[in-house]
Amino acid sequence: QVQLVESGGGVVQPGGSLRLSCAASGFTFSSYGMHWVRQAPGKGLEWVAFIRYDGSNKYYADSVKGRFTISRDNSKNTLYLQMNSLRAEDTAVYYCAKDQRVWGYCSGGSCYYFDYWGQGTLVTVSS
Amino acid sequence: QTVVTQEPSFSVSPGGTVTLTCGLSSGSVSTSYYPSWYQQTPGQAPRTLIYSTNTRSSGVPDRFSGSILGNKAALTITGAQADDESDYYCVLYMGSGSWVFGGGTKLTVL
Repeated sequence: QVQLVESGGGVVQPGGSLRLSCAASGFTFSSYGMHWVRQAPGKGLEWVAFIRYDGSNKYYADSVKGRFTISRDNSKNTLYLQMNSLRAEDTAVYYCAKDQRVWGYCSGGSCYYFDYWGQGTLVTVSS
Repeated sequence: QTVVTQEPSFSVSPGGTVTLTCGLSSGSVSTSYYPSWYQQTPGQAPRTLIYSTNTRSSGVPDRFSGSILGNKAALTITGAQADDESDYYCVLYMGSGSWVFGGGTKLTVL
């Protein structure tokens, strides 16, 4: 079955950097786009970034553009999120989520949603 | 800046029916936004309920249904059960590789 396991969270000072990983199994990782979604303590979900199945295109929320970089290693079935210039407002649980499109194609009108989620990893930005 | 709106909270009696909505601060939600819905209980990862407006995800009970009602996407729970008490989030695809979540609705079943 599909499994997504995040790691790399922790406590970091404002202005610091952190790299999150998401290990994927149970599906052909190289065929699917992947997302990062975060949730600040007591707050709602926020989409952070998306990367296409082959890494050819990357998209970011305005709140993280220029500071965060999404990447993937299809040989290792792993998704990454490099977070630089961290701010207190980046404190959140970070989830990786699988996009349902195979090779970016919609199927039968079904499109643009997250079909599997990891359990999340907590990032705390604090001095 | 596009804002996706949801009711902050809602209450339903056991066995009752409730409709949660997902709108836009400016404009109408249509199927072209591919609205999807996610359920989350405290401390847990989100669970996918509905995608592409009205398709139930695998294993989701048929008491959950999605639709477009007027100018909003809607999630209807028919015959609410105690374990439906959760936070519910909609998300809209805004195009150009961008998704926006609503603020979520906290559903109480009592």
